[in-house]
Amino acid sequence: QKEVEQDPGPLSVPEGAIVSLNCTYSNSAFQYFMWYRQYSRKGPELLMYTYSSGNKEDGRFTAQVDKSSKYISLFIRDSQPSDSATYLCAMSEGAQKLVFGQGTRLTINP
Amino acid sequence: GAVVSQHPSWVICKSGTSVKIECRSLDFQATTMFWYRQFPKQSLMLMATSNEGSKATYEQGVEKDKFLINHASLTLSTLTVTSAHPEDSSFYICSALMGAEKNIQYFGAGTRLSVL
Repeated sequence: QKEVEQDPGPLSVPEGAIVSLNCTYSNSAFQYFMWYRQYSRKGPELLMYTYSSGNKEDGRFTAQVDKSSKYISLFIRDSQPSDSATYLCAMSEGAQKLVFGQGTRLTINP
Repeated sequence: GAVVSQHPSWVICKSGTSVKIECRSLDFQATTMFWYRQFPKQSLMLMATSNEGSKATYEQGVEKDKFLINHASLTLSTLTVTSAHPEDSSFYICSALMGAEKNIQYFGAGTRLSVL
């Protein structure tokens, strides 16, 4: 079993839809949780960062962390074609290496 | 967010030559930088952790003599692919750790290496 599980998709939704992306993990020591967006042939771009449990909102994006269930989510409201990318969840115990999910390929159809 | 510059963005070289990739943190000091490799439609694979002023720590299965890492300053780390072969063709991405207490990694734009 992988340390971080993420549905690779692909996921295709119409413009304006609410998108839900999820990851589960097995290491209860993870404290730092991140979502990155990666466009084709580009480096990952940090979208959301959360320390420990809770919710965080930034514009159309909301990140949720449920440590009791070892489950994190990213919600995208009013999705736009420009949101089409691969979304990577990543987490770590501390100032150490990140453990990435497999990435979910998302397409927003106009 | 913080800016990490990676250069070159794309390099083509002949088999047997060496290629150097630079990673710079432009607006912050990074005592730790990371080097990743990514194959098409796959996630990032950590190759090594680079600490300023000390030897890099390589992940299991990564040849340290093949992938030379130097982190000579708080804003620059380099990855040299020595005697490159076609199987080394890949997308290489660096990241810089901003603030050990937050453990946020900011990534460069990546370098596409094609070995002929």
